[in-house]
Amino acid sequence: SQQGEEDPQALSIQEGENATMNCSYKTSINNLQWYRQNSGRGLVHLILIRSNEREKHSGRLRVTLDTSKKSSSLLITASRAADTASYFCATHREQGAQKLVFGQGTRLTINP
Amino acid sequence: ETGVTQTPRHLVMGMTNKKSLKCEQHLGHNAMYWYKQSAKKPLELMFVYNFKEQTENNSVPSRFSPECPNSSHLFLHLHTLQPEDSALYLCASSQEAEIYNSPLHFGNGTRLTVT
Repeated sequence: SQQGEEDPQALSIQEGENATMNCSYKTSINNLQWYRQNSGRGLVHLILIRSNEREKHSGRLRVTLDTSKKSSSLLITASRAADTASYFCATHREQGAQKLVFGQGTRLTINP
Repeated sequence: ETGVTQTPRHLVMGMTNKKSLKCEQHLGHNAMYWYKQSAKKPLELMFVYNFKEQTENNSVPSRFSPECPNSSHLFLHLHTLQPEDSALYLCASSQEAEIYNSPLHFGNGTRLTVT
């Protein structure tokens, strides 16, 4: 079964606004990672948050993790046109096959 | 500029052809991966190599055959593919496959079309 599921599937906002994307998962995890993918390109790692962490920042990115709710959110503040991309969460399960499991992603469009 | 290079970027092949995808990483990593990305589906892990040894084959059909001659190079040999195999094939590397906090570094992929 799919581990990470992003919500919403698509998001369109105006430049300068904040964008929030959510990720839910089902099993216990070691860490959760967020990746960005521009059209026709590979995925780029953004942030990794460990299971014992609650919040992490990197520039305009803020990631939160709530292990009790098995959910994470990615906030992009002061969005720019260049932030237009698909964003994926990936979970590294605590048990079972040791591999990253990706969700289907959120397609973010920033309108100028 | 990504430290993981994939060639070719685009490939069109018939169902009876044999072709190979190539991946090279310049990051000094010891683990390499093949992923398949199809439209409207989550990224699917196909194969994992850790220190040149295959550690995972995610029930991939035998028409896909991986090869990892060293920790820097990874190939995916293709033969008698089906149209549903058309997808973006992504190569990735990480420090080691069993280090949980080691993020993946992806190449830009090979867009494969099977006719």
